[in-house]
Amino acid sequence: NAGVTQTPKFQVLKTGQSMTLQCAQDMNHNSMYWYRQDPGMGLRLIYYSASEGTTDKGEVPNGYNVSRLNKREFSLRLESAAPSQTSVYFCASRKGTGLFEQYFGPGTRLTVT
Amino acid sequence: AQSVTQLGSHVSVSEGALVLLRCNYSSSVPPYLFWYVQYPNQGLQLLLKYTSAATLVKGINGFEAEFKKSETSFHLTKPSAHMSDAAEYFCAVSRGRGSTLGRLYFGRGTQLTVWP
Repeated sequence: NAGVTQTPKFQVLKTGQSMTLQCAQDMNHNSMYWYRQDPGMGLRLIYYSASEGTTDKGEVPNGYNVSRLNKREFSLRLESAAPSQTSVYFCASRKGTGLFEQYFGPGTRLTVT
Repeated sequence: AQSVTQLGSHVSVSEGALVLLRCNYSSSVPPYLFWYVQYPNQGLQLLLKYTSAATLVKGINGFEAEFKKSETSFHLTKPSAHMSDAAEYFCAVSRGRGSTLGRLYFGRGTQLTVWP
């Protein structure tokens, strides 16, 4: 099992450009999450999907959109990137029942110039 | 509402010394609590979790944490630090009932440095 995979690992964008961060999990998990990590801020939830076909906003959703493509895949889109979106982005998944632990991908380091 | 406070953004210990990383939470319902570790340029890895089965929880790599309801704390300890423990540690809380969404609320993290 690969667990949670994310592409790309690194990305540099110019202000105003758009891009989609991809996330996939092979653990048959129901719930998936997108976080951003900034120095001294911990991880903050951007969007999540409790189950296939549903998505909800987290703490910091402005400037982002998401798509739960199927049970395996959950993508994060930046329509018009801004320097404030420079961050490390993590995708996570959770079985959806039981003990609530989340499993994390390796992250995407995004720089917006 | 719920939040997590990690006291000390940086902790330094000598190899072989006790590691103590502090976490306090606030939650309106009994919480589920987690400690995650992040090694440089990697994702987060679960160290241990509290799910109300036992107040003293043992995790991987010799770490353990004790849930103290009266102090709303869930501090992480390891009796003897190893160089390989150098990493950033995150405490997180999830609401214990009501929501089935399993949202995690993270503390700001504690960077652990281990000196030889």
